[in-house]
Amino acid sequence: KAGVTQTPRYLIKTRGQQVTLSCSPISGHRSVSWYQQTPGQGLQFLFEYFSETQRNKGNFPGRFSGRQFSNSRSEMNVSTLELGDSALYLCASSLQGVRYNEQFFGPGTRLTVL
Amino acid sequence: DQQVKQNSPSLSVQEGRISILNCDYTNSMFDYFLWYKKYPAEGPTFLISISSIKDKNEDGRFTVFLNKSAKHLSLHIVPSQPGDSAVYFCAARGQETSGSRLTFGEGTQLTVNP
Repeated sequence: KAGVTQTPRYLIKTRGQQVTLSCSPISGHRSVSWYQQTPGQGLQFLFEYFSETQRNKGNFPGRFSGRQFSNSRSEMNVSTLELGDSALYLCASSLQGVRYNEQFFGPGTRLTVL
Repeated sequence: DQQVKQNSPSLSVQEGRISILNCDYTNSMFDYFLWYKKYPAEGPTFLISISSIKDKNEDGRFTVFLNKSAKHLSLHIVPSQPGDSAVYFCAARGQETSGSRLTFGEGTQLTVNP
């Protein structure tokens, strides 16, 4: 079974631009979560989508948004990029979002904002 | 407010010895805890988990201990191997959380020397 895939793997943007990142979950997984990883900060939860609906949201500004499609693929968008948005963005999928079930992470998209 | 803290950014041990990684949490609503391992350029990989109704869970060389009164958990790796060198993240899920949202610590870089 193929794992979680994220595209692109690396991205360089300049301040003020916007960016869209994509995540394809493991086949059959309906829950997709997004996390931001910066040095020394661990992984910060952005949001979770389940059955095309946002179910949980972390403490990030409105410039960060996401969506999920009927095939469970998810995208996240960051508008008006700031230098501090440079980070590794990780996507994780899990079965139906049932409590206690394991999340599987993709390799991440490394975003650099210049 | 960092609800999950890993106070040691790095740990170095000799091959064959025990590695002990520690994690503290502040939120008493957390009832499920996980450890993930992350290699560079890869997403985190699930290692082991423990529910708050237990105080120990073992899987091969990996054992997680939970001390609810101290709000502390630890991961023991015995014996440590060079291939265990990676960043280890502690994560927690709250009772009140539906779905898959996890709160992560900042990570501990484990280096196992041959």
